[in-house]
Amino acid sequence: GAGVSQSPSNKVTEKGKDVELRCDPISGHTALYWYRQSLGQGLEFLIYFQGNSAPDKSGLPSDRFSAERTGGSVSTLTIQRTQQEDSAVYLCASSLRGQSPLHFGNGTRLTVT
Amino acid sequence: GEDVEQSLFLSVREGDSSVINCTYTDSSSTYLYWYKQEPGAGLQLLTYIFSNMDMKQDQRLTVLLNKKDKHLSLRIADTQTGDSAIYFCAESMTAGNKLTFGGGTRVLVKP
Repeated sequence: GAGVSQSPSNKVTEKGKDVELRCDPISGHTALYWYRQSLGQGLEFLIYFQGNSAPDKSGLPSDRFSAERTGGSVSTLTIQRTQQEDSAVYLCASSLRGQSPLHFGNGTRLTVT
Repeated sequence: GEDVEQSLFLSVREGDSSVINCTYTDSSSTYLYWYKQEPGAGLQLLTYIFSNMDMKQDQRLTVLLNKKDKHLSLRIADTQTGDSAIYFCAESMTAGNKLTFGGGTRVLVKP
């Protein structure tokens, strides 16, 4: 597609449930990033995929968070046993071989009730 | 560690110039970026500058970099109401590598 696509755009879930957030990067972009944007925390880096290399998971806040990237393209961010503090906008970005600026999707707004 | 700081808010009259400032601490920062975020939208890349440059101009946008003081600014000429948004400064050590963002500056353009 023309840009980074994320789905769903909004997700409301009950505390304790698992959620999956999806990201479709720009075609041909080998680098993919997840960020979280929450009030009072700004933009936090979560995880980074580059080609076939092991992902950089250094930003994941807890072991309830995981992400995978299948076939070097689509990525899924999974949050298990959601907590209210997980409520935020989750932004995905991609770049060309990790050597060009990041292009962001519109994000998924997650609300944990 | 890395830290990027911006002022929280800027109010400007339509037609005037806006200047948004950013400071960073990591002297090994190689690329510095400006992103714009409108309500309900993701981050839109506005412009970026490599650390060996001190200025970059792109239409109404001018980026100034003072590497010695680790200070970055974004000047928007002839500010329009459509420029009202949150502007984020970000830095990385390599292009496309994970970015460290400032907290964002909310710009309000008054008619």
